[in-house]
Amino acid sequence: DTAVSQTPKYLVTQMGNDKSIKCEQNLGHDTMYWYKQDSKKFLKIMFSYNNKELIINETVPNRFSPKSPDKAHLNLHINSLELGDSAVYFCASRPSGYSTDTQYFGPGTRLTVL
Amino acid sequence: KQEVTQIPAALSVPEGENLVLNCSFTDSAIYNLQWFRQDPGKGLTSLLLIQSSQREQTSGRLNASLDKSSGRSTLYIAASQPGDSATYLCAVRPNTGRRALTFGSGTRLQVQP
Repeated sequence: DTAVSQTPKYLVTQMGNDKSIKCEQNLGHDTMYWYKQDSKKFLKIMFSYNNKELIINETVPNRFSPKSPDKAHLNLHINSLELGDSAVYFCASRPSGYSTDTQYFGPGTRLTVL
Repeated sequence: KQEVTQIPAALSVPEGENLVLNCSFTDSAIYNLQWFRQDPGKGLTSLLLIQSSQREQTSGRLNASLDKSSGRSTLYIAASQPGDSATYLCAVRPNTGRRALTFGSGTRLQVQP
């Protein structure tokens, strides 16, 4: 059973297109995240949702729009893709409460914009 | 702004060696520090989490220490095995604000059989 799953695993697309990446967690966690890992391997937070509400929105172009239809899902929609959007995008989840702070990561989605 | 640095960026050791990975952070106002493992093409797996009030955590052959005042953490791997080959990332969570993790760029470890 996959705890945090992402689809697709690979995404190759042309500049200017709109694409979505889906994330689902079956751990019953309340908080979900999107991270971007660039070519230098730095992982940076993009968004965080808690119980379907946006609680972190880092300095990310508004072409990126997260959507949380329910607690178990946090999808990432990207409009007008640019070359610089090429990266690996990771979804993660965490249970509520500071006593259990471990984040569980999905396998990542490698996005290549041509 | 918190910055996390990991040294070395890459490390290659023969099987059986004990090794130390280093992580430093600029802002000591952290809630906790985590060490993750990332395998090629895979997500991150949490290895150890150290709360700011703790000095170390151990799991099997792994031992992580934290010196919050000096902004340093080390991950000690005993008796390394080829299966330990991966990228190791440390991340800190601040104790104020929005509490998002700040990651280092990782140490890529290769254990030679």
